Amino acid sequence: DAGVTQSPTHLIKTRGQQVTLRCSPKSGHDTVSWYQQALGQGPQFIFQYYEEEERQRGNFPDRFSGHQFPNYSSELNVNALLLGDSALYLCASSLVNGKREQYFGPGTRLTVT
Amino acid sequence: AQSVTQLDSQVPVFEEAPVELRCNYSSSVSVYLFWYVQYPNQGLQLLLKYLSGSTLVKGINGFEAEFNKSQTSFHLRKPSVHISDTAEYFCAVSEPSNFGNEKLTFGTGTRLTIIP
Repeated sequence: DAGVTQSPTHLIKTRGQQVTLRCSPKSGHDTVSWYQQALGQGPQFIFQYYEEEERQRGNFPDRFSGHQFPNYSSELNVNALLLGDSALYLCASSLVNGKREQYFGPGTRLTVT
Repeated sequence: AQSVTQLDSQVPVFEEAPVELRCNYSSSVSVYLFWYVQYPNQGLQLLLKYLSGSTLVKGINGFEAEFNKSQTSFHLRKPSVHISDTAEYFCAVSEPSNFGNEKLTFGTGTRLTIIP
């Protein structure tokens, strides 16, 4: 049973560019949440997708957008990259009305130069 | 709004000694509480959770935590640590909802270093 997978592992982009990160949830899970973890900090909630709709959103600008596909996989898009967007981006999957357990992927390390 | 405070950014402990990692939260409503561990270059792994019921919660790898509502705390403990426990530990809180999958608010983490 595969856990949460994310791609790519590492990514280097230039300021102003756009980036797309991908996440495949744990088998059987229907909800995907995205978190940003800056160096030396705890993860911060970006948004959550369920039934292909954004259900909850954290305090992040509209440059951050996402999508969930019918197979429950998800993408995180960031436009007009800033140096401050450099971070580890974590995807977590879970099951609605389940045990409140979020399973995290290994993350994508984004570096903006 | 909810928040989490982890008072200790770094905790060094000798191998086989006990350890306590402190976590305090702030919320105007009832909460769910979690402890996650992050090993170097990896994602987060759930250690234990408190949803309701007994205030003493046991998790994986010999860890346990106690929910104290009056102190708004959820401290993590282990009676005897091992080298393999060296990692970053995060306390997190969420507020119950009818949806059933609530967002997590994390603390800034505590780096646990085990000294041989």
